[in-house]
Amino acid sequence: DAGVIQSPRHEVTEMGQEVTLRCKPISGHNSLFWYRQTMMRGLELLIYFNNNVPIDDSGMPEDRFSAKMPNASFSTLKIQPSEPRDSAVYFCASSFGGLGANVLTFGAGSRLTVL
Amino acid sequence: DQQVKQNSPSLSVQEGRISILNCDYTNSMFDYFLWYKKYPAEGPTFLISISSIKDKNEDGRFTVFLNKSAKHLSLHIVPSQPGDSAVYFCAASVYSNYQLIWGAGTKLIIKP
Repeated sequence: DAGVIQSPRHEVTEMGQEVTLRCKPISGHNSLFWYRQTMMRGLELLIYFNNNVPIDDSGMPEDRFSAKMPNASFSTLKIQPSEPRDSAVYFCASSFGGLGANVLTFGAGSRLTVL
Repeated sequence: DQQVKQNSPSLSVQEGRISILNCDYTNSMFDYFLWYKKYPAEGPTFLISISSIKDKNEDGRFTVFLNKSAKHLSLHIVPSQPGDSAVYFCAASVYSNYQLIWGAGTKLIIKP
């Protein structure tokens, strides 16, 4: 298995533009997480899907952020409009299991820079 | 309010010696703890975990110790190897829930 695949690896955009980050989880995994990493706040959970259903989106910072998981093999995180403070590394992770603290497999991350 | 704290931003250890990474937590409801390792430009990878019903868990060169009364856990790496140079994150969850609370990480540098 190629692991969790994220694209793009790097994105530089201007304030106000729409950003879409993509994730392909490991086949057979039924849980998917979007995390954000910044120097100030470390690793933060943005949203958690289980069996393609959003279970917990309490970490999504504001309405500019949205996430979808249309099927078991694909998820997107969208920021519209983007702001400089959204600059961070965004990680997607997947796992197999229920709502427990299962071992996560992370993608390599998408580094977003908003100018 | 930092519930999981890794107070050492970095640690330098000689190759072959023991590396000890520390993690303190404040929430007594945490019952499951994990360590992840992260190389630059990669995502974190799972290393080892421990449940609160145990006080020690070993996996090869890696051992995690849990001291519930002190709300402290540590990761021991013996012997340390150059490939161990990475950032190590401690994470914890309540009732073994999916919501992990992460520490800020400790950068481990193994000197040849």
